Amino acid sequence: DAGVIQSPRHEVTEMGQEVTLRCKPISGHNSLFWYRQTMMRGLELLIYFNNNVPIDDSGMPEDRFSAKMPNASFSTLKIQPSEPRDSAVYFCASSLRMDIAGGKETQYFGPGTRLLVL
Amino acid sequence: QKEVEQNSGPLSVPEGAIASLNCTYSDRGSQSFFWYRQYSGKSPELIMSIYSNGDKEDGRFTAQLNKASQYVSLLIRDSQPSDSATYLCAVNKGTSNTGKLIFGQGTTLQVKP
Repeated sequence: DAGVIQSPRHEVTEMGQEVTLRCKPISGHNSLFWYRQTMMRGLELLIYFNNNVPIDDSGMPEDRFSAKMPNASFSTLKIQPSEPRDSAVYFCASSLRMDIAGGKETQYFGPGTRLLVL
Repeated sequence: QKEVEQNSGPLSVPEGAIASLNCTYSDRGSQSFFWYRQYSGKSPELIMSIYSNGDKEDGRFTAQLNKASQYVSLLIRDSQPSDSATYLCAVNKGTSNTGKLIFGQGTTLQVKP
């Protein structure tokens, strides 16, 4: 079975350009997470969705970042305009939340998108 | 104080030794705890989860949880060079168990042949 799919795997862009990262979660999973990883800040949760609904976006750094999940099999993370400090590896992860309480489910990570903003 | 703290290392152990990785967390309401392994240039992969005080063993890995001390650890027995990676401690934030994880900075483990 295919894991979490992310595209593109690498992105190099210039400051001010719009960047769109894409994620296809594991089929049947109902929770989706976007993370950012840098050497300085480690792995940070940006936003997560449950049943396509954004539940917590408190990690989104500023208004330049937006995320959508139009259906259960697709999500995007958009940065507009991009800045050099956005350079990082962006991971998408998905999980299957079995009950209301949640919290014990395994998150499966995609391969990540390495973003470099010049 | 960081919400989840780990010693960044590197922790260097000889092949065959026991590697001990430690993690402390600040939210007393946390209920679920995870250890992820991340090889250089790769994505994190879950290796252990623990929810109750005490030890949980899986093969060469043992996770230990002490909620009173807000402390989680991972022991790797008979360490192999293939265990060389960064180990991330993750904690489910808050009592609502919403699935939101807070990760530590990770501890880099080097197992020398």
